[in-house]
Amino acid sequence: DAGITQSPRHKVTETGTPVTLRCHQTENHRYMYWYRQDPGHGLRLIHYSYGVKDTDKGEVSDGYSVSRSKTEDFLLTLESATSSQTSVYFCAISESQRGGNEQFFGPGTRLTVL
Amino acid sequence: AQSVAQPEDQVNVAEGNPLTVKCTYSVSGNPYLFWYVQYPNRGLQFLLKYITGDNLVKGSYGFEAEFNKSQTSFHLKKPSALVSDSALYFCAVRDQGNTPLVFGKGTRLSVIA
Repeated sequence: DAGITQSPRHKVTETGTPVTLRCHQTENHRYMYWYRQDPGHGLRLIHYSYGVKDTDKGEVSDGYSVSRSKTEDFLLTLESATSSQTSVYFCAISESQRGGNEQFFGPGTRLTVL
Repeated sequence: AQSVAQPEDQVNVAEGNPLTVKCTYSVSGNPYLFWYVQYPNRGLQFLLKYITGDNLVKGSYGFEAEFNKSQTSFHLKKPSALVSDSALYFCAVRDQGNTPLVFGKGTRLSVIA
């Protein structure tokens, strides 16, 4: 999984509680992404970052915030978790967003909101 | 806006037979196309990509994909399927801008012994 770790790998939480997921890379790639994976929806982009403190929204950003204070770390926060945010969350990285530059994915975090 | 469609949720094939997983795309301008594979409880792994040039692209694990501009397709193929090829396959596309990849909904491939 290309020098990408995600923590925690599994989490069960209750509705209304805040949750933070962490993505850590050792590749020094500029771009980092958070996706969620749900049956019937495939992979949907939540937020991405193009540098320290530089972030942008993806397709399904409502209810999520992100922060990137260091090149190697990208945090995803659910301010007040809801059952609809039960999903598998994947972090990805890439050197560039142009042309044939592929994205590399972490192992995923399975989040259950009760 | 760029988009990608995988028209089949599930593909079943017998071991040893050829397999095809379909993908069609929509972009303005020339596309950059990718295939990824996901094994159970794992992240996505890059298989192959099309940038330019030869329409037949070869990738990992014996997979190849054929780019067809007139049909806006990028189908994944393998001449002889293995049981170990059973997994979830994702097609992705990027246009010529500075953008994240856009993924299809995935196709589950089952290879039956």
